[in-house]
Amino acid sequence: DAKTTQPPSMDCAEGRAANLPCNHSTISGNEYVYWYRQIHSQGPQYIIHGLKNNETNEMASLIITEDRKSSTLILPHATLRDTAVYYCIVRNRRFGNEKLTFGTGTRLTIIP
Amino acid sequence: GAGVSQSPSNKVTEKGKDVELRCDPISGHTALYWYRQSLGQGLEFLIYFQGNSAPDKSGLPSDRFSAERTGGSVSTLTIQRTQQEDSAVYLCASSLGPGTGLQETQYFGPGTRLLVL
Repeated sequence: DAKTTQPPSMDCAEGRAANLPCNHSTISGNEYVYWYRQIHSQGPQYIIHGLKNNETNEMASLIITEDRKSSTLILPHATLRDTAVYYCIVRNRRFGNEKLTFGTGTRLTIIP
Repeated sequence: GAGVSQSPSNKVTEKGKDVELRCDPISGHTALYWYRQSLGQGLEFLIYFQGNSAPDKSGLPSDRFSAERTGGSVSTLTIQRTQQEDSAVYLCASSLGPGTGLQETQYFGPGTRLLVL
């Protein structure tokens, strides 16, 4: 799986948009970008994923650059409950290689 | 609907004892994964089951670790002769199975916190 690089920590004011960057410069054509988050003492929670088009769901938006070498997760109106570690994962879709490889993620703190 | 469930939620054991951790995947999910997360660390892949295929055991750290999946549903992770370095949160995840994008999305349980004294 391609390696990802994320800032170790970020702060965001409550009610503002949180923009979490991820670099994945070695991504290949068949690798999806997945985002998960882990709130303290809980299992990771799926947020969103994409291949090359921007994606939006009820939780977040995912913006992938045209060259696919980086992406940004956007939480449009951050709340205190969004404080968590956010993981950006790129995942090869070759059958038989299904595991997720988690890096160290970004610790996002929402400030009241 | 019901998510992935794991039991026990917490387990304290003595060094050298065997432990069994249980995972109930989401109904209808054919793929099941075990990961572990040591304190302050990222998740480490352990083993992957897909349907009736032979499991991918490439992440198991030693032969003290084994896992079964009975009837394509419930899975048990067994750690024999536990060591203090086995202390971690053991997480189970399931997905619909191979396919495209959302089918492969993994949904995680709350984990079992194992402490080996």
